[in-house]
Amino acid sequence: AQSVTQLGSHVSVSEGALVLLRCNYSSSVPPYLFWYVQYPNQGLQLLLKYTTGATLVKGINGFEAEFKKSETSFHLTKPSAHMSDAAEYFCAVTFTGGGNKLTFGTGTQLKVEL
Amino acid sequence: GAVVSQHPSRVICKSGTSVKIECRSLDFQATTMFWYRQFPKQSLMLMATSNEGSKATYEQGVEKDKFLINHASLTLSTLTVTSAHPEDSSFYICSARVAVGQGGRVSYEQYFGPGTRLTVT
Repeated sequence: AQSVTQLGSHVSVSEGALVLLRCNYSSSVPPYLFWYVQYPNQGLQLLLKYTTGATLVKGINGFEAEFKKSETSFHLTKPSAHMSDAAEYFCAVTFTGGGNKLTFGTGTQLKVEL
Repeated sequence: GAVVSQHPSRVICKSGTSVKIECRSLDFQATTMFWYRQFPKQSLMLMATSNEGSKATYEQGVEKDKFLINHASLTLSTLTVTSAHPEDSSFYICSARVAVGQGGRVSYEQYFGPGTRLTVT
């Protein structure tokens, strides 16, 4: 079985500061990993994904994430937070042959303060 | 590209009535769509996998007779909440699966609709 753990249900940063949202996964087979962002009362938008290849993945809006197999982690980072980054962020995992059924983490609410 | 729409965006219905939610892939075809529900400040829980031309596959604990799914075409899946009760009030989100890549390196992505807020009174 696969699972995702997001540490910290709420993260608060100052505008311009580094954003770090943590995600650890558990999977018995090589995982595909995703980060999604959700704004209030909206669906999910894909930020970035890791399938195979380069372990440092760059996504939209300046976000990136690094797949670290040894740490079973896929933390999301952004060098400088903007007010518009305030949203809910979900890490998700699936695996090849799994029919692309995503298992989501519990989400992290990012707050950006002036 | 890869836009998914849902209709309606919000619906309020009385207890005991049925509500149909539509999920459409606007600029691509999707043989597989997924239905999720999301309670306030919680994560998405997969309810079922909708396959065009065949019966949906429901996750454990999801009542198939209560949540009827029809995927009659490659661009439309519908979720009908039958005999709705207040505990069915939730945010329902669909997604459509898209194959990406070429040759031996094909993976899948899900594109999500904007969600439907169901309130049962």
